[in-house]
Amino acid sequence: EAQVTQNPRYLITVTGKKLTVTCSQNMNHEYMSWYRQDPGLGLRQIYYSMNVEVTDKGDVPEGYKVSRKEKRNFPLILESPSPNQTSLYFCASSPKLAGGSNEQFFGPGTRLTVL
Amino acid sequence: QQQVKQSPQSLIVQKGGISIINCAYENTAFDYFPWYQQFPGKGPALLIAIRPDVSEKKEGRFTISFNKSAKQFSLHIMDSQPGDSATYFCAANIIGFGNEKLTFGTGTRLTIIP
Repeated sequence: EAQVTQNPRYLITVTGKKLTVTCSQNMNHEYMSWYRQDPGLGLRQIYYSMNVEVTDKGDVPEGYKVSRKEKRNFPLILESPSPNQTSLYFCASSPKLAGGSNEQFFGPGTRLTVL
Repeated sequence: QQQVKQSPQSLIVQKGGISIINCAYENTAFDYFPWYQQFPGKGPALLIAIRPDVSEKKEGRFTISFNKSAKQFSLHIMDSQPGDSATYFCAANIIGFGNEKLTFGTGTRLTIIP
């Protein structure tokens, strides 16, 4: 089944304790992104990657890191989480289509609470 | 700066009625306008999308109306059903820009009541 998977789905942690949220896609997509969803703010892009070893900042990158060492994986790293990073996180992937629509396929989400 | 403004924030519609959600954008370079549907506990999924070279696109009960001069587009759900209850996000993008970045609206929580 073509899908984007994220782990963990739920995480409660404390301020300053480093954590990683994994994301994996099995569709051989070139593009991958991380978004956070907050009430009243919609979905905001954190980081994106156009291919292996190519990453760049989105709209709200502060406090996050990413890496893209393999095409299928795009982990999100919070080196020192803070309460304002409590949010619902989504990983998404999309194929590189010349001139085509860029439908993004989203994972099921990771609900993170930072105490 | 919010580049895509969405309204209303929440909407209650009776079964069989028409649900209408509106979005306005600022960046005239946008050339791809999708709508995503999100059910509780799930990630958003593409519902329907439109390019600015047409004024309307219909897929079943879902229609996008697009007004390029006003920089507005809207989603119409005809004969709304309880199964349509979800959060809807409009979005905009520039095809081929490279980063595949979607700029999302703030979302509309739609509830269809019997």
